[in-house]
Amino acid sequence: AQTVTQSQPEMSVQEAETVTLSCTYDTSESNYYLFWYKQPPSRQMILVIRQEAYKQQNATENRFSVNFQKAAKSFSLKISDSQLGDTAMYFCAFNGNQFYFGTGTSLTVIP
Amino acid sequence: GAGVSQSPSNKVTEKGKDVELRCDPISGHTALYWYRQSLGQGLEFLIYFQGNSAPDKSGLPSDRFSAERTGGSVSTLTIQRTQQEDSAVYLCASSLGGPSNQPQHFGDGTRLSIL
Repeated sequence: AQTVTQSQPEMSVQEAETVTLSCTYDTSESNYYLFWYKQPPSRQMILVIRQEAYKQQNATENRFSVNFQKAAKSFSLKISDSQLGDTAMYFCAFNGNQFYFGTGTSLTVIP
Repeated sequence: GAGVSQSPSNKVTEKGKDVELRCDPISGHTALYWYRQSLGQGLEFLIYFQGNSAPDKSGLPSDRFSAERTGGSVSTLTIQRTQQEDSAVYLCASSLGGPSNQPQHFGDGTRLSIL
């Protein structure tokens, strides 16, 4: 069975500090895509960053970067210089032949 | 509009009633997804439409759940004989293509409450 696991239900970080959210997944597929989505209290889910499994280089989008370890099936999200607007639920997602989301990590940025 | 539109935004109904939830995807997006998000939980995949292909219904939890997508655009998710455990937020998403690096664009969801 394919699953996505986010082992940190809740996290907090001081404003301007760096935080890392963990995600592991299990799959037998070789070609797939990984995403991090953010869901603020307003509810709409928005894309943060994506990674193609065949690419070794870690994706980066401004303050957001990933640490993709394909052999370990790990896909963590690093948020640098945390801002109050980063407070949200963060979901790790797997896109292959099917679609799986993790249970989410609730991140609070403390002023 | 430019984004995925879902209606109604909130729905309260009595146990045993049927409900229909609507999703209007982004124009030109061939793929459409339905998910269910229960309180404090992640997203549970329900069903996936890709173009004119037969939908992937593998996530539907029971035969009380069904979905249609007419003309490759608007989709309706129907829940018959609703039960209290059906209470959740139902999210719709669309993307340019199927399983790929194309991100899914989500609507605001429909919050369904079964009394």
